[in-house]
Amino acid sequence: QVQLVESGGGVVQPGRSLRLSCAASGFTFRNYGMHWVRQAPGKGLEWVAVIWYDGGNDQYADSVRGRFTISRDNSKNTLNLQMNSLRAEDTAVYYCARARGGQQDGLDIWGQGTLVTVSS
Amino acid sequence: DIQMTQSPSTLSASVGDTVSITCRASQSINSWLAWYQQKPGKAPKLLIYKATSLESGVPSRFSGSGSGTEFTLTINSLQPDDFATYYCQQYKSYSTFGQGTKVDIK
Repeated sequence: QVQLVESGGGVVQPGRSLRLSCAASGFTFRNYGMHWVRQAPGKGLEWVAVIWYDGGNDQYADSVRGRFTISRDNSKNTLNLQMNSLRAEDTAVYYCARARGGQQDGLDIWGQGTLVTVSS
Repeated sequence: DIQMTQSPSTLSASVGDTVSITCRASQSINSWLAWYQQKPGKAPKLLIYKATSLESGVPSRFSGSGSGTEFTLTINSLQPDDFATYYCQQYKSYSTFGQGTKVDIK
């Protein structure tokens, strides 16, 4: 079935780095734009980043630009988020999600989320 | 950046009620708007895309309207499964979510 599974979350100290991955299955991954969305504990959804279907373009929220890098490996059906210089305010559940019909579209498939906790 | 403002923040309703949630954009986003439902501990679920298009498998009691800067999600005949938090999302320029509307039981 169509599925996204995130991994890589955990507890990390402020200023350190963490890499999240999202494994896609059940659909032709290379045809879809992919997003990362996060949700701090008890808070709303915050869009983080998008990458075009071919990896040729990406965009970031102001809050993470210059610190986070989104990437993808279409040969391995994998989406990644490299997070550097982490801050306490980056603590959140991170979801990967598929854009249904284009790079910028409604997000129709979501992973279960992976929790990132930034704390000393 | 485009800001999205949802209202109300909380809405108390009963089974069978018709409820509406409003989302306002700080500038025109044409129809590049989606609506999601989220339940505690779960990932969001896409309900509506392109402001008015119902996602496959979503009950027809959900509907979306609006364009430009003002949008509405309407739920007709609220069901027990509909008590949840709802978010709008613009995707005209980058992407932004509204702050959410919690629909709870009156």
